[in-house]
Amino acid sequence: DAGITQSPRYKITETGRQVTLMCHQTWSHSYMFWYRQDLGHGLRLIYYSAAADITDKGEVPDGYVVSRSKTENFPLTLESATRSQTSVYFCASSESGETNYGYTFGSGTRLTVV
Amino acid sequence: AQSVTQLGSHVSVSEGALVLLRCNYSSSVPPYLFWYVQYPNQGLQLLLKYTSAATLVKGINGFEAEFKKSETSFHLTKPSAHMSDAAEYFCAVVQTSGSRLTFGEGTQLTVNP
Repeated sequence: DAGITQSPRYKITETGRQVTLMCHQTWSHSYMFWYRQDLGHGLRLIYYSAAADITDKGEVPDGYVVSRSKTENFPLTLESATRSQTSVYFCASSESGETNYGYTFGSGTRLTVV
Repeated sequence: AQSVTQLGSHVSVSEGALVLLRCNYSSSVPPYLFWYVQYPNQGLQLLLKYTSAATLVKGINGFEAEFKKSETSFHLTKPSAHMSDAAEYFCAVVQTSGSRLTFGEGTQLTVNP
């Protein structure tokens, strides 16, 4: 089914471990984004990418790494997970830099760091 | 930097009553504004967007929003609430640099029978 898919849907990991969250979209959208959602904070942008091999920091990038070797994939890695990174993570894509196209969101990954 | 403020983290209405979710923005230039809805355990879905074409914007599921520059507001309304409208609603504004959306903190809408 075409769209934007995130995996895994749920993940429990231990403090200090490396974790990678996957995001795949089938539209060949240029822009992709990673947000985290926390109670009282809404959604905050972690990283975004305007095209393959082009990434940039968002509002809360510390502790995260991204890559975009292919247009359709935009993995997010927590290099050494901390409890403060317990959150719901959403990936999104957009057809162009013109924001009137809106974003399309994945269903999210709920990450718990113990 | 542009931002949005959603007034009221929780709103409760009766089925059939008017829904009003408030959003105020701060921006030095005319912004692009959006409303998204999030149903439980799902991602965000675009409800409607304002991109300066018309001040009254109609979206999906009977929702609409009016851009009022004088009040820096973009409130979301629906004349008659349905049980299926229960969800979290986010207002968002685009930043002036790039195409990054900035979201409000969200408003949880409860619809009572």
